Amino acid sequence: GQQVMQIPQYQHVQEGEDFTTYCNSSTTLSNIQWYKQRPGGHPVFLIQLVKSGEVKKQKRLTFQFGEAKKNSSLHITATQTTDVGTYFCAGPDRGSTLGRLYFGRGTQLTVWP
Amino acid sequence: EAEVAQSPRYKITEKSQAVAFWCDPISGHATLYWYRQILGQGPELLVQFQDESVVDDSQLPKDRFSAERLKGVDSTLKIQPAELGDSAMYLCASSDPSTGNYGYTFGSGTRLTVV
Repeated sequence: GQQVMQIPQYQHVQEGEDFTTYCNSSTTLSNIQWYKQRPGGHPVFLIQLVKSGEVKKQKRLTFQFGEAKKNSSLHITATQTTDVGTYFCAGPDRGSTLGRLYFGRGTQLTVWP
Repeated sequence: EAEVAQSPRYKITEKSQAVAFWCDPISGHATLYWYRQILGQGPELLVQFQDESVVDDSQLPKDRFSAERLKGVDSTLKIQPAELGDSAMYLCASSDPSTGNYGYTFGSGTRLTVV
């Protein structure tokens, strides 16, 4: 079945350092979504990418969707303590836009002040 | 900003007891999801509703779990009997893909502990 793999599982950085998490799917995705979950909280939608090779930015966050629409990345420039949390990528069921989302295991980011 | 309401926030129950969770999605969102999240893992879908109809319950353990959305608005997820392995966060989410935005809005979740 559909699988979405994320690496690394954990990342510890000093405040001000950059951070990147990578997501790979076993199948081509119609879109990919990214979520952030703060400790003790619930996932919050950050962004969706739809087009092959798409790049979107939100302040210090840069999201990329691969040319083959099977991989994606999230890069945070100059991390801050407010970036702490777990970042999940998620893709819909094979061949679907509206079906269930398969979530990766997430990358847990810790930022040391 | 519109929110997905869930209750209770926390629930402790003894194994073999029944437990129920409630969710009220964002007004107008026809699609409602129940996800289960085990600590340290990503959410996994239990059941998806489109209005009052179940469109995907392939991962729902139907021998003990049931879900309904009778009027196509709020929803209830029930576990009977609860087992120790059911301890997890139960998340409700809704979406309105007709806008072109496929993202989910999650509720705050119900953290279930089975003892």
